Amino acid sequence: EVRLVESGGGLVKPGGSLRLSCAASGFSLSSLTMNWVRQAPGKGLEWVSSISSGSSYTYYTDSVKGRFTISRDNAKNSLHLQMNSLRVEDTAMYYCVRDTPTVYFDLWGQGMLVTVSS
Amino acid sequence: DIQMTQSPSSLSASVGDRVTITCLASHDISNSLNWYQQKPGKAPEVLIYDASYLETGVPSRFRGSGSGTAFTLTITSLQPEDIATYYCQHYSGLPPYTFGQGTNLE
Repeated sequence: EVRLVESGGGLVKPGGSLRLSCAASGFSLSSLTMNWVRQAPGKGLEWVSSISSGSSYTYYTDSVKGRFTISRDNAKNSLHLQMNSLRVEDTAMYYCVRDTPTVYFDLWGQGMLVTVSS
Repeated sequence: DIQMTQSPSSLSASVGDRVTITCLASHDISNSLNWYQQKPGKAPEVLIYDASYLETGVPSRFRGSGSGTAFTLTITSLQPEDIATYYCQHYSGLPPYTFGQGTNLE
């Protein structure tokens, strides 16, 4: 089965860190651009970050620049998001999302909840 | 950055109705647009890509149209299982790949 499975979320205090991981199964992500998208509780979707297939290019939404780092391990078929200096407003469901040459953002993980609260 | 303005924010319709949702881009994005459906507690799913192409497995009552800055998602005959929130998103050029604000279909 082709799927993406996120892990590593949870409750963290403001200023803390978390590392999200996304494991791909049923396909190889090595040649694909990968993304993180988040959704705050009761709110809309927000693109967070993207990484090219060979990790040469990374992109971030302005609100996370300098705090979040996207990375990938093609040998382990996985994607990561290191989140530092977390803020209350980073509280959201975080989705790992695949691009393909035909359809961008075509496959989404089930999501991982990150809660930033004191 | 390209802004996406989606309307309406909410919509009430009945089974069998024709439903139309609009998305306007602040700059020309050609046909680089996806439409998504999201049901409560679930991840979004692509309905339409490249503005007008139906993703595999999506019912033909979903139709996408438009190019440049104005786009439309039409459900030709609303079914009960179509109750969801719908989003547009552009992927023109380099990120950020902005989403519309969403349309809550009731």
